[in-house]
Amino acid sequence: GAVVSQHPSRVICKSGTSVKIECRSLDFQATTMFWYRQFPKQSLMLMATSNEGSKATYEQGVEKDKFLINHASLTLSTLTVTSAHPEDSSFYICSARDNRVPYYNSPLHFGNGTRLTVT
Amino acid sequence: KQEVTQIPAALSVPEGENLVLNCSFTDSAIYNLQWFRQDPGKGLTSLLLIQSSQREQTSGRLNASLDKSSGRSTLYIAASQPGDSATYLCAVITQGGSEKLVFGKGTKLTVNP
Repeated sequence: GAVVSQHPSRVICKSGTSVKIECRSLDFQATTMFWYRQFPKQSLMLMATSNEGSKATYEQGVEKDKFLINHASLTLSTLTVTSAHPEDSSFYICSARDNRVPYYNSPLHFGNGTRLTVT
Repeated sequence: KQEVTQIPAALSVPEGENLVLNCSFTDSAIYNLQWFRQDPGKGLTSLLLIQSSQREQTSGRLNASLDKSSGRSTLYIAASQPGDSATYLCAVITQGGSEKLVFGKGTKLTVNP
């Protein structure tokens, strides 16, 4: 089955530093990947849509200069949390859709998430 | 704006019981509905995807139904096991050109041995 690998699974960093999270589709190509954020006992909130070879599309209220997204290949998207602060502590999850299937017919495949803690 | 609601928020059942999880959505113009499972601290595992033209999908002990006109879906789990304990999320893609999934808040299921 389709596998999405997300790294790291857990990261602790100091306030003011930047953290990069990688999302890879291992056995399929994905023109589009999605980055979500999840707070405790809350649902997933879409942060941005990552598009291979072009700029990401950010949801309303998400600072694009703070959450940098790069989708340089059909199998890799990265999310960089710049100048992280304690309020950025959260669970970040990426997902991807197989290029070979139209999006309205295709399930989303998710990574295992990254728990970010900013001290 | 599409909104997805899941009831109940939490459910606790004894092992072996059959159970139903509910999902409702406000905009019935959807492409598909997907059910996911999330274990604590983990990502999401796709369970079933129902196209808008379909009424149900089955996988093992899981059966998902869709009534698009009324904006409802149910996930039926037969003969529940402790390993089924997790949070179950439903999500829809709404027609209108966007690929975005809109999620409910999930139902936390606990199956007691």
